[in-house]
Amino acid sequence: EAQVTQNPRYLITVTGKKLTVTCSQNMNHEYMSWYRQDPGLGLRQIYYSMNVEVTDKGDVPEGYKVSRKEKRNFPLILESPSPNQTSLYFCASSLSNYLTGELFFGEGSRLTVL
Amino acid sequence: KNEVEQSPQNLTAQEGEFITINCSYSVGISALHWLQQHPGGGIVSLFMLSSGKKKHGRLIATINIQEKHSSLHITASHPRDSAVYICAVAQDSNYQLIWGAGTKLIIKP
Repeated sequence: EAQVTQNPRYLITVTGKKLTVTCSQNMNHEYMSWYRQDPGLGLRQIYYSMNVEVTDKGDVPEGYKVSRKEKRNFPLILESPSPNQTSLYFCASSLSNYLTGELFFGEGSRLTVL
Repeated sequence: KNEVEQSPQNLTAQEGEFITINCSYSVGISALHWLQQHPGGGIVSLFMLSSGKKKHGRLIATINIQEKHSSLHITASHPRDSAVYICAVAQDSNYQLIWGAGTKLIIKP
């Protein structure tokens, strides 16, 4: 089954404690992306990747890092989380880098930073 | 002015009604996406359009490239259609989507 898998789905952590949210897709997609969703602000892109070792900043990259060492995986790293990073995070993938193909989303990761 | 505008922001209707959600955009695009998000749930792709019209079950999506406008229609609406519907456009020669603010739809039994 074609899918994007994110883990963990729910996480409560404390300020400054490094964490990683994993994302994996099984569709051999070129394009992967991370979004955060906050009430009243909609979806905002954090980082995206067009292929292995090719990543670029989205609209709200501050405080986040990503890597794309393998085509299927695109982890989101919060080196020193802060309360303003409390949010719902989505990973997405698409076959086309120009986003002219179907989008597939993970189920979301709800992160709370105390 | 936002580059992607959705209307209405909120819509409440009775079961069985015909629903229309609109999306207007101001940039050149290579594709337009309609997505659905149930409360507390994930995001599901409904349609990707670059021209014309697509139909899937009770859902129909149309796009008019000249007028820079797309509509999502739901026929014979049902309470399980209650969700937020989001329009997003892929700009020409760009690797990012521009997102609409979403339309919250509630279908009452």
